[in-house]
Amino acid sequence: RKEVEQDPGPFNVPEGATVAFNCTYSNSASQSFFWYRQDCRKEPKLLMSVYSSGNEDGRFTAQLNRASQYISLLIRDSKLSDSATYLCAVNLASLDMRFGAGTRLTVKP
Amino acid sequence: ETGVTQSPTHLIKTRGQQVTLRCSSQSGHNTVSWYQQALGQGPQFIFQYYREEENGRGNFPPRFSGLQFPNYSSELNVNALELDDSALYLCASSSPGQGTEQYFGPGTRLTVT
Repeated sequence: RKEVEQDPGPFNVPEGATVAFNCTYSNSASQSFFWYRQDCRKEPKLLMSVYSSGNEDGRFTAQLNRASQYISLLIRDSKLSDSATYLCAVNLASLDMRFGAGTRLTVKP
Repeated sequence: ETGVTQSPTHLIKTRGQQVTLRCSSQSGHNTVSWYQQALGQGPQFIFQYYREEENGRGNFPPRFSGLQFPNYSSELNVNALELDDSALYLCASSSPGQGTEQYFGPGTRLTVT
């Protein structure tokens, strides 16, 4: 079983739609959780950290479910500019991160 | 921008050759992690350097080695290049005192022919 698993998609949604991504992780000792956004042929950019209480940043909401070992990302009112690959990442007490393979999102007019 | 820089941007090498990639961390960050990202995959952890010492290693062979310098910049060296080494190589900087968030540089795209 992979350490971090994501639905690869692609997710094709119209502008204004709400879309949700899930990510599961295998190591129950994982301590920190993140969502990154990666545009084609660019580096991953930190979108948001995921906290136990859940957190929101504008149109983006992240949730953590430790019992079921998954994190989620909800994007409301999708924009064309949200088209990208979304990577979830987890790490243990050390600082190395384990990434999922990414979920590709395309927002269409 | 993250303030993390990498050089070169692109590189083409021949199988069997050696390559050195460079990374300058964000100001105030003392930890550099290196990742390999193959097409269509997520970044795979190679190793991490903290205060000039290797602080963890992923599932990569010994021909992948690294260094960190007193100014916290870092190098990734790959010997005896193989075709499968073709990938985007990313470095990320972080600082334990500021949480575990990592910030990536633009990457070096290595092609091995």
